[in-house]
Amino acid sequence: AQTVTQSQPEMSVQEAETVTLSCTYDTSESDYYLFWYKQPPSRQMILVIRQEAYKQQNATENRFSVNFQKAAKSFSLKISDSQLGDAAMYFCAYGVQGGSEKLVFGKGTKLTVNP
Amino acid sequence: DTEVTQTPKHLVMGMTNKKSLKCEQHMGHRAMYWYKQKAKKPPELMFVYSYEKLSINESVPSRFSPECPNSSLLNLHLHALQPEDSALYLCASSQRSGRANTGELFFGEGSRLTVL
Repeated sequence: AQTVTQSQPEMSVQEAETVTLSCTYDTSESDYYLFWYKQPPSRQMILVIRQEAYKQQNATENRFSVNFQKAAKSFSLKISDSQLGDAAMYFCAYGVQGGSEKLVFGKGTKLTVNP
Repeated sequence: DTEVTQTPKHLVMGMTNKKSLKCEQHMGHRAMYWYKQKAKKPPELMFVYSYEKLSINESVPSRFSPECPNSSLLNLHLHALQPEDSALYLCASSQRSGRANTGELFFGEGSRLTVL
């Protein structure tokens, strides 16, 4: 069974600094997606960034980038120039490409941004 | 339009009540989902509808009854709930197939349910 592990229940960062959230996963599939979702206190889950496993290039969205290590089954999220609005729960998620509709979520990391 | 709209935002009900949660999307997505989320926990999948047919039921108690009247609407009927069912109920949708399928789920803001 696929599993997603986020080993950092909580993280904090100073405004304008950089922080990295960790995620590892376990799967025997070769084609899959990986996602980072953000859930602010207002509660709506929003996609931050996605990565397709067949792509070697790491995904980047403005201040957000990932370090995707397929062999190590690692998918970390780097947030640069942290802003107060980045404070939220961050969930790493895994989905099989062309397979079940299920996404497997990690337990989440609560990010606090200090002014 | 990239929204998933859920109503009501808040619901308080007694254990003998019957109520419904509603979800609507107009993105042409063919898969719709119900998730349950407790505080500080990840979402837990309850049901998936794919092309308006129930494709996944994660062994959810029968006091939760999903319904998909058409490709844009998803309901969750609630009856004889327990206090431990109090949670945030999230609806989501995704493009099931084709070039537009990115695997991404689009979530609504959720319905906060309190069972007294």
